[in-house]
Amino acid sequence: SQQGEEDPQALSIQEGENATMNCSYKTSINNLQWYRQNSGRGLVHLILIRSNEREKHSGRLRVTLDTSKKSSSLLITASRAADTASYFCATDPDSGGGADGLTFGKGTHLIIQP
Amino acid sequence: NAGVMQNPRHLVRRRGQEARLRCSPMKGHSHVYWYRQLPEEGLKFMVYLQKENIIDESGMPKERFSAEFPKEGPSILRIQQVVRGDSAAYFCASSETGYYNEQFFGPGTRLTVL
Repeated sequence: SQQGEEDPQALSIQEGENATMNCSYKTSINNLQWYRQNSGRGLVHLILIRSNEREKHSGRLRVTLDTSKKSSSLLITASRAADTASYFCATDPDSGGGADGLTFGKGTHLIIQP
Repeated sequence: NAGVMQNPRHLVRRRGQEARLRCSPMKGHSHVYWYRQLPEEGLKFMVYLQKENIIDESGMPKERFSAEFPKEGPSILRIQQVVRGDSAAYFCASSETGYYNEQFFGPGTRLTVL
């Protein structure tokens, strides 16, 4: 079955640096979404990029999508301690009107060191 | 505008008991999705419901698990005769439409089976 897979599994950087996380998937999609999960909390939706879009910005977040390579990247600029969390990519498969459940990867654990 | 609400936030059950997890979608949302997150893993899709209908239950275990989304009231995920392997975080998400959906997640219910 299709699965988004994030890379790296864990990332530790200094506050103020940029953090880049990647996501690969296997089948065609309608859209790809990025979520953040702080320890012990629920998921927070960050950004959705549709299959016909290549890049999207939201505040300090920049997401790219390359459907030919079936990959996406999430860039967080000027990182802050509060950005410490797990980040998940989720794909909404193009299933011809079938299931609408998202498929998540295992996530990238990002640690921002002060 | 209240977000997706789930209760209880934490639920402890002994083996063989029943667990009932509730999810109230965001106002105006008629599509509900349930996901399970096992320790150290990403979220796995379980079931997708609209009001009074199960649209896709391809991720639901064949036995002991059931879900409903009645015309009035919250969506319920029911686990009968729980076993230790059911211990996980269960997340509910809702969306306004079922296509190109942007799913908003609740805080989750953490189920512990003793």
